[in-house]
Amino acid sequence: DGGITQSPKYLFRKEGQNVTLSCEQNLNHDAMYWYRQDPGQGLRLIYYSQIVNDFQKGDIAEGYSVSREKKESFPLTVTSAQKNPTAFYLCASSSHGLNQPQHFGDGTRLSIL
Amino acid sequence: QKEVEQDPGPLSVPEGAIVSLNCTYSNSAFQYFMWYRQYSRKGPELLMYTYSSGNKEDGRFTAQVDKSSKYISLFIRDSQPSDSATYLCAMRYREYGNKLVFGAGTILRVKS
Repeated sequence: DGGITQSPKYLFRKEGQNVTLSCEQNLNHDAMYWYRQDPGQGLRLIYYSQIVNDFQKGDIAEGYSVSREKKESFPLTVTSAQKNPTAFYLCASSSHGLNQPQHFGDGTRLSIL
Repeated sequence: QKEVEQDPGPLSVPEGAIVSLNCTYSNSAFQYFMWYRQYSRKGPELLMYTYSSGNKEDGRFTAQVDKSSKYISLFIRDSQPSDSATYLCAMRYREYGNKLVFGAGTILRVKS
């Protein structure tokens, strides 16, 4: 059945290391998003992509990078430049069009060793 | 000042109670309003989506939007222990594609 798959569920990063979070969707959605969720705060947008091979920075893009080579996939790399990476990362997707709601995966929890 | 304000709770109610969850916002450019439910260690699940002032009902859930007061609410009737979760409001500008702005979320606990 259709959905958004994020992997891994838990990830640990060492100092100075880059890590990549996977997000795959089989909903045939055009747009995909990455959010960061911290305790007591709402979801904050990191990057989003409305079409393959194109993406835009969100509100907190510093220290992160993305690619969108396939419609189904939107991986997020947390680089060593991100000084406070410990958070819950959520991927979402939506169909094309202004009125289409976003649907979320079950997240990846990233922690620092 | 945050664009969207939401009381973080926790809000604790007995089973069967009517629950009222609320968000206020400061920017009248928001046109579309959503409520998501998030269980612990899971992603948010869309509950309600509306773009006009007034009420929208779906089963035990009613979403209310008052654009003149910049205030939205989610009512849960006959609350159940399975409703225990964090409830996030989200809203979107009409002009900026599908970018959402979220409230911080309200933790709800329904006691059996």
